Parts: sequence; structure tokens; C-alpha cells
Amino acid sequence: DARVTQTPRHKVTEMGQEVTMRCQPILGHNTVFWYRQTMMQGLELLAYFRNRAPLDDSGMPKDRFSAEMPDATLATLKIQPSEPRDSAVYFCASGLLYRDRVLASPYQPQHFGDGTRLSIL
Amino acid sequence: KNEVEQSPQNLTAQEGEFITINCSYSVGISALHWLQQHPGGGIVSLFMLSSGKKKHGRLIATINIQEKHSSLHITASHPRDSAVYICAVLQGAQKLVFGQGTRLTINP
Repeated sequence: DARVTQTPRHKVTEMGQEVTMRCQPILGHNTVFWYRQTMMQGLELLAYFRNRAPLDDSGMPKDRFSAEMPDATLATLKIQPSEPRDSAVYFCASGLLYRDRVLASPYQPQHFGDGTRLSIL
Repeated sequence: KNEVEQSPQNLTAQEGEFITINCSYSVGISALHWLQQHPGGGIVSLFMLSSGKKKHGRLIATINIQEKHSSLHITASHPRDSAVYICAVLQGAQKLVFGQGTRLTINP
């Protein structure tokens, strides 16, 4: 089965360090999403891309977070400098959008990766 | 007030019971998703629907656009259904706004 791959699965680092999280979307999918999940806030959309172009990053703190898609097989989310409040699970998801309509299975319009569990000490 | 509200927050039931989880939203949407997150953390999108009802195995999702309400039903529940179920509304083509989730525990 095709799946979204995220690396690393776990990351522990000290505050102030740069953190890079990577996502390999499902081949052929043209939309990529970054989500953050915390106990307090639940799941939140940080940013998403369509055909590698950023469409919406309003959920992302701009001063320290950046999201890019250097090519169709790789999306990155960077935090620099990291802070303890950034500790969360970060999920990447991919989907297929055509003419502003979601394709793919009605049961799984977005495919999620297993997440990166980030702890900033 | 959250834009997407789920109830109950926690639900414990016995194997075989019929389960209903509710979702109400206050914003305009193009569709609604139901997601399942297992204890290991993985997230699976169960349904996307914009009207009526959809069925997939023992899962049934309904939506009433006028009342801004959706329900997820599980028939003949099983311990493996134990998970967090998350409602998310789709704004525009791809932007999801999530509910806080319902933690379901099915006891054998």
C-alpha cells in the first residue's frame, strides 16, 4: 500500500536548536499538508501546498517556522530556533486535488503519515 | 466557542453496542471528514461527506447541512474500534478545522 513517510519518528532536542522534519507524500498526490497535534489544542493545520506551491500557511508562526517543497517527493517543516512550546506531534498528509475537487477514495481523501513526535527541552 | 464541537468527549461501551458520536459546527463548510486515531497515534481518514449518508463496513456517517450536524455510528462495536474519533470540517477545497475528538473505549 502507498503511504506517506515521515522522518524522524521521534526527535528530542534542546531549545534553540534547529529542527527539520521531512515528509514524502504518496507518489502522484499533488497536495501536502502539515498538521500539529497537542493535548491542549488538538489537531491544527499549519500549512498546505498544492503542486508544490504554498497555498495557506496562516496557521504557522512565521517567525520561527518555515515549510517548503523542494520537489514533488519531499516536503520539509523547519523550526528555528525551537522552543519548548513547539513540543507536539507533527503530521504530514497528502491528497489529490483536481480542479478544486478532491479525488481519491471517499473514505480516505487525505492520507496521513505516522507523525514526528517532537520534544523540545 | 470552538468552530467544531464533538460530543461526548469520552465514551465507554460494551462490545456489541451501537455507538453514536456527534459533531456540530458553526462555520460554512464544503464537506466534513471523520478521522480515526489509534492509540499508536496513526490517523486514518474514514469518510468525507457533504450530504446524506455514507456507509463503510460497520461505520455509518450522516450529515445534516441545514442543522450543521454530523453523526458517526458504529454498529456491533468491537474492542478494536477503541480509538479517538475526530470530526473535521473542510473549508474551501482543502483547509480542515478539527474538533477535539471523542475517545471511544469498547470493553470485551
